[in-house]
Amino acid sequence: AQSVAQPEDQVNVAEGNPLTVKCTYSVSGNPYLFWYVQYPNRGLQFLLKYITGDNLVKGSYGFEAEFNKSQTSFHLKKPSALVSDSALYFCAVRPFMNRDDKIIFGKGTRLHILP
Amino acid sequence: NAGVTQTPKFQVLKTGQSMTLQCAQDMNHEYMSWYRQDPGMGLRLIHYSVGAGITDQGEVPNGYNVSRSTTEDFPLRLLSAAPSQTSVYFCASSYDRDGLGKLFFGSGTQLSVL
Repeated sequence: AQSVAQPEDQVNVAEGNPLTVKCTYSVSGNPYLFWYVQYPNRGLQFLLKYITGDNLVKGSYGFEAEFNKSQTSFHLKKPSALVSDSALYFCAVRPFMNRDDKIIFGKGTRLHILP
Repeated sequence: NAGVTQTPKFQVLKTGQSMTLQCAQDMNHEYMSWYRQDPGMGLRLIHYSVGAGITDQGEVPNGYNVSRSTTEDFPLRLLSAAPSQTSVYFCASSYDRDGLGKLFFGSGTQLSVL
């Protein structure tokens, strides 16, 4: 069965430092991978996606993610964290061959950027 | 642009009551879906639709019904509410029925069942 794991419930980073939010997945075949962000009392917002091609994907608000097929990972990164990046981050996956049109989300990682 | 609109924003029900959570999108998206968000559980898919007249079950469909009579609307019905259905509900849509496009989310409905 397909699944996505975010091993950290919470990540604390000092403002200005680089940040990484981890995501690993398990699917049959090639995956489509996504990151979403949720600010307090809001719906989720799309950050970026990986479909095919370059393993480093750039997205909104200066975020990027690196697809690593051998490690089945899709970690979210940013070179220099801002306090405004504090939010709940979700990784999501969909198998390439899945005709059921379902996107599966991880449990989320809360990112705290400390001033 | 309105995007994805969910109503109501908050609702309190008693066990056994019924209600409908409304979801409408004005982007002519084929794909629409309902998720529930619970602490420590992330987002779980309840039902989804890849077009008018077509619906299917997600991970946690029990206790919920949906219909898709138009492209714009995708209501979620609770026929007999239970405390286990206390959650935050999100509707989402996508222009790509194959799931390759990004999901657009509504602002959510916070439901409490007493």
